[in-house]
Amino acid sequence: AQKITQTQPGMFVQEKEAVTLDCTYDTSDQSYGLFWYKQPSSGEMIFLIYQGSYDEQNATEGRYSLNFQKARKSANLVISASQLGDSAMYFCAMREGRDSGGGADGLTFGKGTHLIIQP
Amino acid sequence: NAGVTQTPKFQVLKTGQSMTLQCAQDMNHEYMSWYRQDPGMGLRLIHYSVGAGITDQGEVPNGYNVSRSTTEDFPLRLLSAAPSQTSVYFCASSTSSWPYNEQFFGPGTRLTVL
Repeated sequence: AQKITQTQPGMFVQEKEAVTLDCTYDTSDQSYGLFWYKQPSSGEMIFLIYQGSYDEQNATEGRYSLNFQKARKSANLVISASQLGDSAMYFCAMREGRDSGGGADGLTFGKGTHLIIQP
Repeated sequence: NAGVTQTPKFQVLKTGQSMTLQCAQDMNHEYMSWYRQDPGMGLRLIHYSVGAGITDQGEVPNGYNVSRSTTEDFPLRLLSAAPSQTSVYFCASSTSSWPYNEQFFGPGTRLTVL
């Protein structure tokens, strides 16, 4: 089973509209972190936002917010007032804790959502 | 600070050739890692290191070697390149603090194996 699932391969959104990018995750750990990265066409990976499993409030960073629903294992990224420069690939990723021991210590990524903002 | 640097940016190899992808960071980060990105997929962890002299395997380690002799450098070696290793390679570094550890990524190396 995939640990990170992003169900939207591509999205077209009108400029200035809000965007929600879906992400569900699978882990048996109690302690974990969830991340969103942006990858523009130039190829670099840009960190956007982080949510810890024990954080009680949803994370926010400027126009980005993370809609964290722990019971549903959902960590959707919300971009308010989208801009043309938001057009990019967006990746959800998870770093699992060491509750169960073992396993590689790194980020597990979803396959990404290609977001295109239209004027 | 230069952050995370990777060399080369582009490389073409023939099957069976060897090469080393270089990665360096100047943020005194304990944790460093290598990922590969294939079309239509997210990044996958190859190897990682939690400090000098300590390395471990990630999700897709076969065909790759790493070593960590200094805090700053974490080279990735391909001993005998195969076409299946055609990919974009990213190096990343972070502090080892848990649970929060934003990973800082290098610009990537695009490798083609013919």
